[in-house]
Amino acid sequence: GAGVSQSPSNKVTEKGKDVELRCDPISGHTALYWYRQSLGQGLEFLIYFQGNSAPDKSGLPSDRFSAERTGGSVSTLTIQRTQQEDSAVYLCASSLGGQGHYNEQFFGPGTRLTVL
Amino acid sequence: AQSVTQLGSHVSVSEGALVLLRCNYSSSVPPYLFWYVQYPNQGLQLLLKYTTGATLVKGINGFEAEFKKSETSFHLTKPSAHMSDAAEYFCAVVNQGGKLIFGQGTELSVKP
Repeated sequence: GAGVSQSPSNKVTEKGKDVELRCDPISGHTALYWYRQSLGQGLEFLIYFQGNSAPDKSGLPSDRFSAERTGGSVSTLTIQRTQQEDSAVYLCASSLGGQGHYNEQFFGPGTRLTVL
Repeated sequence: AQSVTQLGSHVSVSEGALVLLRCNYSSSVPPYLFWYVQYPNQGLQLLLKYTTGATLVKGINGFEAEFKKSETSFHLTKPSAHMSDAAEYFCAVVNQGGKLIFGQGTELSVKP
């Protein structure tokens, strides 16, 4: 079956512009995660959605970052007023979710964001 | 709080040689530990995981890792490297919220 998909695969934008990154999780997966991979910071958690619960936003680096998940499926990560330090690969992952045990997270190919 | 340290940002081996990628973790609770591989311009792929039970876990592509609680380690090994193993490898621990905490990654090069 289809894996996690992300779009666009590459995005180049100018400093100060807003960008939207999209993630389509595996069908039936209730948990969705966003991570960021950058040269200076490695792989870091951004935000986590589990079913209809309030998202865990503890990893978002600033209030310029936000994310939503519509209908428990597709998620959009929005970065407002982009800065050069936002340049990174943004990875999305999904899992079966659930409480009390760990389910494997399946990763998408990522969106490479370059802020000029 | 959990954390992961990978020793060596870059490891180079000859084809056919032993691969050893080191990972140490810090966790206040019994850890769930993972190794992921990332090929160029691709996402992360799970190699293997330790949750409970047998401390020696086998993964895909001939890789295995051993959980050693006394050493807080989860080193990744493969007896004989192949050119196709060249990639970046990440060790990770999952925290109580289900989020993965990654090490800084180790880039593996395989020389012919």
